[in-house]
Amino acid sequence: KNEVEQSPQNLTAQEGEFITINCSYSVGISALHWLQQHPGGGIVSLFMLSSGKKKHGRLIATINIQEKHSSLHITASHPRDSAVYICAVSNPPDSNYQLIWGAGTKLIIKP
Amino acid sequence: DTAVSQTPKYLVTQMGNDKSIKCEQNLGHDTMYWYKQDSKKFLKIMFSYNNKELIINETVPNRFSPKSPDKAHLNLHINSLELGDSAVYFCASSQDGVRTLGGQYFGPGTRLLVL
Repeated sequence: KNEVEQSPQNLTAQEGEFITINCSYSVGISALHWLQQHPGGGIVSLFMLSSGKKKHGRLIATINIQEKHSSLHITASHPRDSAVYICAVSNPPDSNYQLIWGAGTKLIIKP
Repeated sequence: DTAVSQTPKYLVTQMGNDKSIKCEQNLGHDTMYWYKQDSKKFLKIMFSYNNKELIINETVPNRFSPKSPDKAHLNLHINSLELGDSAVYFCASSQDGVRTLGGQYFGPGTRLLVL
């Protein structure tokens, strides 16, 4: 079993739909990160969470430390949101640099 | 335009060789980083440069040497390659010297395979 599990692996939705991507982890962490990788290859860090909820535009990320679970939500999805979304955790808990990555969720938003 | 680019994307080479991986960012960021992702998907920082000055140098073998000719470029040179160097190497940049992953823009990665 991987330390970081994402679901679903692939997600196809229509423009405008509400999107949820889930991430579960089994190790102690200092923070959880959501990253976005576009087809061109570049990876952008979206959020870093250690508790609660963060919002940036149409993106919302939540984390439940007790349940070791995080979700990334996209409201009013758009074709430009099509990308691979990666969950990564900082482990061991005293390090912000060593990360364990999930396998990623490939999201396709159809117009 | 790709914000952070790396070349080459794939590199297959023999043990003992010397190789370089190049990284360029067109974001105007002051800080650049090199990370190594091993087969277990751990991503570990190796080096960080801020305005051409080395600010982070984690425990990596002396065979790895970063070179920053200007703040838009941070190249990684590896001497005497070993089997254990096989990994994906990611370059990243950020506006300031953030000590966490947040705010960093990553390149697509360079997959290095040492035979």
